[in-house]
Order: sequence, then C-alpha cells, then structure tokens
Amino acid sequence: QQQVKQSPQSLIVQKGGISIINCAYENTAFDYFPWYQQFPGKGPALLIAIRPDVSEKKEGRFTISFNKSAKQFSLHIMDSQPGDSATYFCAASKGGQNFVFGPGTRLSVLP
Amino acid sequence: DAGITQSPRHKVTETGTPVTLRCHQTENHRYMYWYRQDPGHGLRLIHYSYGVKDTDKGEVSDGYSVSRSKTEDFLLTLESATSSQTSVYFCASQVEFGTEAFFGQGTRLTVV
Repeated sequence: QQQVKQSPQSLIVQKGGISIINCAYENTAFDYFPWYQQFPGKGPALLIAIRPDVSEKKEGRFTISFNKSAKQFSLHIMDSQPGDSATYFCAASKGGQNFVFGPGTRLSVLP
Repeated sequence: DAGITQSPRHKVTETGTPVTLRCHQTENHRYMYWYRQDPGHGLRLIHYSYGVKDTDKGEVSDGYSVSRSKTEDFLLTLESATSSQTSVYFCASQVEFGTEAFFGQGTRLTVV
C-alpha cells in the first residue's frame, strides 16, 4: 500500500505566524511532490510542487523543504494570513501521475 | 479551474441504483482522473484515463466503472450504489505527467 502520512490533522496559527505541515512517504520511487490547497466547496488547487533533486523550493510565502534520505517533506507558510485558512494536502507520485494524497491538514489562521 | 466541470454537483440516490457522474474538460488534456474524498483519507484514486478508451483502475476501484469515448468527457458509473459510496467525488485533468493536475468543483453524492 503506497501511503503518504501527513501531520498535524489540524493547525491553528495567529496572523503573521509560521504554519508548518509535515508529510512522510514510503515509496522511494516517488519523484514528484505537490501540495494542494482546498477551500470549502471547491476542488483542490496546486499550490507548489518539488522534485527530489532539490532540497527546497520557495514561491512567495510558501516553501517546500524536502529530505530525500528521511523520505519527508514539509510545507512552510510564512507570515500566515486569514486568507490562507484552508485544507492542505500533500501528495506524491511516480512520474507525475496517479497522485497519492495525504489525509489533509485543516489550517485556521486567526486574525 | 482550467475549464473542467462536473455534473451533477449534488445527488441523492437510493441503495442499489446505478449512478453516473460526468466530468467535462475543455483543455484537450490527455489524462483524466476520478478521486473520492472522505474525511481522514484525503483523496483516493478510483480510476484514471490516459486517452480515449484507455482507462485503468486506481486504489479504490471496486464498485466503479469508467468510460471515455471522447477526449473531453470522462464518466464515472456506480453500478449499484451502496452507502459506503457516499462521498465527494472529484475529477481532475492533466495535460502531461508531471504537470499540474486541475480539479473540478466536486460532486457530493449521498446514497440512502
């Protein structure tokens, strides 16, 4: 069973704080790791993605850190804003297809 | 949403009845997917398609079938709906492997 574990299940952060969500995978063949953001009543939307040839990728306030040897990757949201309140899913795939998703983290950013 | 729409958006059906969900995309994407979303499970792959009439099973395919007769349409059929198939179903499309997968708005299905 290909699994992606994700923690925490829920997260509450004050405005301006740093939100950190962690994921771990088992299949060493995975080579593409996206993060999706989902607002209530909407479909998931790609936030940022990384491949294992780099250890970090940053896009604006969002950063993925990747540790290939530990088979772990994490999402950091700097200067968290109330508009970031959503559910975040990490995912992994081999060859960029048929994603395996984590169970999700519900983030609430308090004003 | 990259021109991907799902219909219906909501459906209530009775146990044992067949149900068909439709996914339509206007982006000419080759790859299409059906996922179900349940609390604590994230999204789980049901079936996927890598071209017209080319489909394959995902992680949770039992009780589901799919068809893709045109590039733009990917149908998911619950052959005989059960209460365990109550879920939110998402369709996604992808132009090539390793590129962004675009998701539809979802279909909330309730089997009573």
